[in-house]
Amino acid sequence: DAGVIQSPRHEVTEMGQEVTLRCKPISGHNSLFWYRQTMMRGLELLIYFNNNVPIDDSGMPEDRFSAKMPNASFSTLKIQPSEPRDSAVYFCASSPAYEQYFGPGTRLTVT
Amino acid sequence: DAKTTQPTSMDCAEGRAANLPCNHSTISGNEYVYWYRQIHSQGPQYIIHGLKNNETNEMASLIITEDRKSSTLILPHATLRDTAVYYCIANSGGSNYKLTFGKGTLLTVNP
Repeated sequence: DAGVIQSPRHEVTEMGQEVTLRCKPISGHNSLFWYRQTMMRGLELLIYFNNNVPIDDSGMPEDRFSAKMPNASFSTLKIQPSEPRDSAVYFCASSPAYEQYFGPGTRLTVT
Repeated sequence: DAKTTQPTSMDCAEGRAANLPCNHSTISGNEYVYWYRQIHSQGPQYIIHGLKNNETNEMASLIITEDRKSSTLILPHATLRDTAVYYCIANSGGSNYKLTFGKGTLLTVNP
């Protein structure tokens, strides 16, 4: 199994631009998570999907952030408009039940 | 999640066993002990989890005290590639999906 796949691995954009991060979970896993990691705040859960349905989005910072999971094999996290404080590493993880398997992350830099 | 306490850092010689302690004195009966690690610039990696009994897999062993107030992760033959931040997390798993990543223990394996 290839594991959780994320794209792009690095993204540099200017403030105000739209950013879309992509995730392909491990086949057969029914839960998907989006996390954000910064030096200041550590690793934070943004949103959790179960069977493609958003269950908890309380960690999404504000309305500029949105996430979708149109099917079991694909999810997106969109930031519109992006701001410099959104700069972070964004991880996607999937889970079959208890343990979570993380992707390699997308390093986002907003200038 | 029950609060966990880990040392900030530890050193280990290559080829020797690395024993990483974790205190979780307020753990409840339905909470598992999970261990994850994060190698620099990579996503967190699931290692092992357990409830009451000791567990072993291809990566590590988990020893949980009989009162469940503490545990030890054992890497039997540490290599340089095991240098990482190790996180101990108490979580009931399943529908309780929110993993709380603290600061963890930075394990440095020295040649």
